[in-house]
Amino acid sequence: GESVGLHLPTLSVQEGDNSIINCAYSNSASDYFIWYKQESGKGPQFIIDIRSNMDKRQGQRVTVLLNKTVKHLSLQIAATQPGDSAVYFCADRFSGGYNKLIFGAGTRLAVHP
Amino acid sequence: GAGVSQTPSNKVTEKGKYVELRCDPISGHTALYWYRQSLGQGPEFLIYFQGTGAADDSGLPNDRFFAVRPEGSVSTLKIQRTERGDSAVYLCASSLTGVVYNEQFFGPGTRLTVL
Repeated sequence: GESVGLHLPTLSVQEGDNSIINCAYSNSASDYFIWYKQESGKGPQFIIDIRSNMDKRQGQRVTVLLNKTVKHLSLQIAATQPGDSAVYFCADRFSGGYNKLIFGAGTRLAVHP
Repeated sequence: GAGVSQTPSNKVTEKGKYVELRCDPISGHTALYWYRQSLGQGPEFLIYFQGTGAADDSGLPNDRFFAVRPEGSVSTLKIQRTERGDSAVYLCASSLTGVVYNEQFFGPGTRLTVL
């Protein structure tokens, strides 16, 4: 399959470490923020979302933090595993834009054993 | 259950030719979206269908691009007079509805290469 994100910024971590992936957004009217994982040759896969009236949400091994003051979103992955290696995208939904998502540029996560 | 499927997985065409890309959404999903993803970029919104109608086509780059969803299920993205700059992965996604926020499920994409 095609490699996605050949020229993306890369975060390299050791297996078992925690990973933090950051994203800045520009639209203060966005009401939902979503993190997607994309493996080579596949479509984006939903990881976790957060509504704009929250500042933190936890899932299984993942936590999303939202700082609306500085328009910043982060994804924390605990105990990173080789299977977490992929490109990660943040996306936001403009509150007046139906379910249309605006994606960021993405970050490649490389997990080393 | 079956996810979103897209055909073909790869399409190579010559500049100036016409292509059709097909998307089969998850059964029961009324909303369908097309995105385009260039190498090293995030997906870029093209068009959104709620049922049979195109509710938002603001992302279509020009009039060479057109999409249909005649029966509210399968959708076809049509590109006329293809250009080399059209080369990208075309992603389709579906969700239960598009009127309120809910999770979008993506297909594997069709990689279009225009020679």
